[in-house]
Amino acid sequence: GAGVSQSPSNKVTEKGKDVELRCDPISGHTALYWYRQSLGQGLEFLIYFQGNSAPDKSGLPSDRFSAERTGGSVSTLTIQRTQQEDSAVYLCASSLRGLAGVETQYFGPGTRLLVL
Amino acid sequence: AQKITQTQPGMFVQEKEAVTLDCTYDTSDPSYGLFWYKQPSSGEMIFLIYQGSYDQQNATEGRYSLNFQKARKSANLVISASQLGDSAMYFCAISNDYKLSFGAGTTVTVRA
Repeated sequence: GAGVSQSPSNKVTEKGKDVELRCDPISGHTALYWYRQSLGQGLEFLIYFQGNSAPDKSGLPSDRFSAERTGGSVSTLTIQRTQQEDSAVYLCASSLRGLAGVETQYFGPGTRLLVL
Repeated sequence: AQKITQTQPGMFVQEKEAVTLDCTYDTSDPSYGLFWYKQPSSGEMIFLIYQGSYDQQNATEGRYSLNFQKARKSANLVISASQLGDSAMYFCAISNDYKLSFGAGTTVTVRA
């Protein structure tokens, strides 16, 4: 596709349920990133993939959060036992090679998660 | 650690006028990149412009230009000839590795 796509665009879930958020990066981009945007915390880095490997998971808030990437393409962010504080917009981005400090990251439209 | 400060939470600008959005940063790394993104009400983050720490000239991209003052650690975005479609949230971000650290953002409202 032409840009980064994410699904679903909106997700409403009940506290305690698991959710899966999907990201499809720009074709050919080897680096993929997840960020979270919330009112209280602003934009926070969650995790970075280079190919199928995640060399930096430092931003994942707790062990309820996990992510994987398969085939060097699609990535899934999973939140288990969701809590109300998980409500946020989850943004995915991709870049061509993940070169430090010089490469533009292109973002998807985000998934708006609301935990009731 | 890197930190971005955007001190203007909101700004109003008249259509066709220029507006400057402030961004200061703090990093101990000599090599880094500075990015500006636009986020309209639809929510998507749109890349606007990039400045490398070693770039000698200020970056320009159409109506967007960066006033990069390395010694002062500032990278202000200038939008010239504002249009109604420029109304959005604008974020400054810094990276010296693969992750972006964002400022709090500035909301710009363009008045007709």
